[in-house]
This record gives sequence, structure tokens and C-alpha cells, in this order.
Amino acid sequence: EDKVVQSPLSLVVHEGDTVTLNCSYEVTNFRSLLWYKQEKKAPTFLFMLTSSGIEKKSGRLSSILDKKELFSILNITATQTGDSAVYLCAVLANSGYALNFGKGTSLLVTP
Amino acid sequence: NAGVMQNPRHLVRRRGQEARLRCSPMKGHSHVYWYRQLPEEGLKFMVYLQKENIIDESGMPKERFSAEFPKEGPSILRIQQVVRGDSAAYFCASSLQKKGAYNEQFFGPGTRLTVL
Repeated sequence: EDKVVQSPLSLVVHEGDTVTLNCSYEVTNFRSLLWYKQEKKAPTFLFMLTSSGIEKKSGRLSSILDKKELFSILNITATQTGDSAVYLCAVLANSGYALNFGKGTSLLVTP
Repeated sequence: NAGVMQNPRHLVRRRGQEARLRCSPMKGHSHVYWYRQLPEEGLKFMVYLQKENIIDESGMPKERFSAEFPKEGPSILRIQQVVRGDSAAYFCASSLQKKGAYNEQFFGPGTRLTVL
């Protein structure tokens, strides 16, 4: 059975800290890995990673994929209270549409 | 342009009743996906629909669950004779159709179903 495992499950940091969130996977017919941010409502798309070793960056957030070791990390630098959310990792398999999500990492950034 | 809309946001049902969850995709989107998030679990794919067609329902329980996406109106996820184990958050996503590429899925806010 396909697995997507995120760690840690929860994290509390102070504003200004840098955090690294982890996502490992065991998926047959891997196609891409996606990161979402979920506040109190809809998950919103952050990144899609398909190739190993290429960093994707958006402001203070960045992510990279390692297809050999089967994991991805999401980095957030200079965290702000607005970064508090659940961060979801999802793997897209060969179907091209069915996303398989991990349980998420709940991040709380305190002032 | 409104995003994906789901209603109701919260739904309480007693065991044995029916639950109907509605999803209106983003304007111009003709593909709809339903996911279920059980307590302490990640979102799991249930079903993928295009207008008037079920494309893949491999993630949907074989009994009591059905989904439709009619030519007019929202997509409906229907759960008959609900049981406590159906209590979960049900998310809908929609996308455009771009052949040969991943179609980014935009998620709705979810419907939280509680079965008493």
C-alpha cells in the first residue's frame, strides 16, 4: 500500500526561527510530490516537485525533492505568525489525478 | 472569481440517516474530485468525476456511497444510512482539463460530517 509519512506531526517555534518539515513516501508509479498549506479552511497549493535536486522557491518558503531517498523537505525561513497552519504533503501517482496525502505537520509560530 | 464552494460546512446526522454534500467547482472547471479525511488521518482520494461521468471511483466504499456531477448544478456526494465511522471531513477539489499535464486541483473548505 502507498504511504506518505510526514514529520514532525506538530511543531512550535518562535517568530524568526527557521523550520524544516519532512515528507517521506513509498509509492508505486511516482509522478510528483506536492505541498499544501491548510489554515482553517481549504488546502492551498504551494509547490509541485517532479525532478530530484531542483529547489523550488517562493518568498521565504522553499522545497526540494530527493527521488533516490524518497523524501522531500519544506523549509520556511524567518517564520511569521501567519505561517501557522497545517502543512500537507501529497504524492501524485501515475493516475495523474489521485493525490495521496500525509497526515500533515501542524506548525504554530508564536510571537 | 469565487473558489470551490462546499455546503453545508457542518452537517450532523443520526445513524441511519442520509447525508448529502454539495460541491460547486470553480468557474470554468469541469473536473471534480472528492477526498475524505478521517480523524487523525490524511486526505484520501474517493472519486473523480467529469460532467455527467464518473471517471474513477476506486477510492469510494462500495456500499452506501455514491457521487454524481450533473450537467447542471453542483456535484453531490451522497452517503446513505450513515454510521459513526462516516464521521470525517469531506473535501472537494476541482480542476480544468489540460491534456497530457497534471491539472492543478483547487480545494474547497470541506464539509465536516458528524454522525451521532
